[in-house]
Amino acid sequence: DSGVTQTPKHLITATGQRVTLRCSPRSGDLSVYWYQQSLDQGLQFLIQYYNGEERAKGNILERFSAQQFPDLHSELNLSSLELGDSALYFCASSVERGGVSSYNEQFFGPGTRLTVL
Amino acid sequence: GQQVMQIPQYQHVQEGEDFTTYCNSSTTLSNIQWYKQRPGGHPVFLIQLVKSGEVKKQKRLTFQFGEAKKNSSLHITATQTTDVGTYFCAGPDGGTSYGKLTFGQGTILTVHP
Repeated sequence: DSGVTQTPKHLITATGQRVTLRCSPRSGDLSVYWYQQSLDQGLQFLIQYYNGEERAKGNILERFSAQQFPDLHSELNLSSLELGDSALYFCASSVERGGVSSYNEQFFGPGTRLTVL
Repeated sequence: GQQVMQIPQYQHVQEGEDFTTYCNSSTTLSNIQWYKQRPGGHPVFLIQLVKSGEVKKQKRLTFQFGEAKKNSSLHITATQTTDVGTYFCAGPDGGTSYGKLTFGQGTILTVHP
């Protein structure tokens, strides 16, 4: 158990719908990352938040948005869903050591499997 | 942008054989991390290498970081069925202190008993 929790575990929805994925980082971790993992692709970085502020952005679609709340949990919002959005969505967290976050390992949650029908 | 390539994409071995996966970055890395994802699971951090030419061992696993800090390898000696999974290398974006990692495509290891 990594200490990172994600809900829900599974989500089945229809095209055009909007869903929200939730992540709670490990206690004390200020950084939260979101990744998308499709069958034929590796881990695609979507976005990072640090202590409530957006810190880095990957190839995140405009239909997707995220935020980190004062209690440090994060939500990833996916709207106008398409079939191609079906994937595993992972959240990860890390602690900052000396302000150089690139030297910190990331702890992944169990993921949310999204199926768009 | 930065690219991290991993080879091979798939590797099938008999239990007891050795296994190696290679990772190459298009840019010099400040560090490289390795993760393992078991089937149906989530990526789990294995190790981080920081120094040029660094070699680290974890039981049957040996990790190397190249002298130029652009490539790395993971070698497993005498594989066991518990080694199955996907092994990812990951490097931070060049020139940034942010935590964003670029992951390689991963090597899927299958071990036949």
